[in-house]
Amino acid sequence: QVKLVQSGAEVKKPGASVKVSCKASGYTFTNYYMHWVRQAPGQGLEWMGIINPSGATTNYAQKFQGRVTMTRDTSTSTVYMELSSLRSEDTAVYYCARDWSSNDGLDVWGQGTTVTVSS
Amino acid sequence: DIQMTQSPSSLSASVGDRVTITCRASQSISSYLNWYQQKPGKAPKFLIYAASSLEGGVPSRFSGSGSGTEFTLTINSLQPEDFATYYCQQSYSTPQTFGQGTKVEIK
Repeated sequence: QVKLVQSGAEVKKPGASVKVSCKASGYTFTNYYMHWVRQAPGQGLEWMGIINPSGATTNYAQKFQGRVTMTRDTSTSTVYMELSSLRSEDTAVYYCARDWSSNDGLDVWGQGTTVTVSS
Repeated sequence: DIQMTQSPSSLSASVGDRVTITCRASQSISSYLNWYQQKPGKAPKFLIYAASSLEGGVPSRFSGSGSGTEFTLTINSLQPEDFATYYCQQSYSTPQTFGQGTKVEIK
């Protein structure tokens, strides 16, 4: 079945970077865009950006421009989200989610990766 | 950016009740509106896409309607497993913004 499996929890110091992975299985990896969404503790969902696994093109939310990089490895069907210059406000659960039809919602989600930024 | 505003932010309801959640967009998004359900500690679950189309496997007591700037999610005959937080999301343009969420609690 279609599945997205994310890497484990991370604890980082302010100013550091974190790289979260999301391994896809059960479908043709390059046929579906992948989004990243985060959720701070007790807060709502925040869209971070999207990557086209086929051409590696990306589109980031303005808020994260310059700090976020989304990449992919087609040989392992894995997408990555790297966030740099971490601050305490980046403490959140980070999700990858598959875009099933380019602009009609996110049908499959990873289990989430908790990133804690603390000195 | 398109702002998505949900109302109410929370509501209390009983099993068997009919519940309606509203989502308003700051500009027209045609029918590019999706709904998700999230339970504590879990990833969101995809419920409805294109404003009114039910994702496969989602119970028929869930329904969506609307177009343009105003949308609704209705849950007919609320079940115990429906107590959760619901989010709308616009997929008309990037950034694909979410509403702030509506928490459905047990009365």
